[in-house]
Amino acid sequence: RKEVEQDPGPFNVPEGATVAFNCTYSNSASQSFFWYRQDCRKEPKLLMSVYSSGNEDGRFTAQLNRASQYISLLIRDSKLSDSATYLCVVNAGKSTFGDGTTLTVKP
Amino acid sequence: GAVVSQHPSRVICKSGTSVKIECRSLDFQATTMFWYRQFPKKSLMLMATSNEGSKATYEQGVEKDKFLINHASLTLSTLTVTSAHPEDSSFYICSAWDTYEQYFGPGTRLTVT
Repeated sequence: RKEVEQDPGPFNVPEGATVAFNCTYSNSASQSFFWYRQDCRKEPKLLMSVYSSGNEDGRFTAQLNRASQYISLLIRDSKLSDSATYLCVVNAGKSTFGDGTTLTVKP
Repeated sequence: GAVVSQHPSRVICKSGTSVKIECRSLDFQATTMFWYRQFPKKSLMLMATSNEGSKATYEQGVEKDKFLINHASLTLSTLTVTSAHPEDSSFYICSAWDTYEQYFGPGTRLTVT
């Protein structure tokens, strides 16, 4: 079993749609959690950190459930520019990446 | 935010040659840097942790004699792929933490022919 597992995708949605990505992790000692965005042939860039209380940044909402070892990312009112691969990252002393979920937002 | 640079961004080399990739933290000091490789449609896999002034720590399955890491200063780490083969072709990315955020270099795309 992989340490960090994500929805395989791809997700193809129309502009304006709401889309949710899920991620589970196996290491209960994990301390910090992140969602990164990676565009094709580029490096990952931090989208948002994920806190137990949940956090929101504009159209993006991240949730963490430590008991279930589960992280989610919700994107509301999708834009064409949201098309990218979204990486779930879990840190327990070092960062472990999920394989990513590819999102394509279409006009 | 902090910036991490990598050089070169792209390199094509012949089998058997060695390739050096540089990773620099431009506006912060990093006692530790991380080297990842990424295959197409796959996630980043940590290869090794580079420690300033001491030996790198390699992940299981990564050959330390194949992937030489040197972290000679607080702002520079280098990865040398020795005697490169076509299966070493990949996207290599370095990163460093600045306080609470992990920053990534732009990556180096290595193609071994």
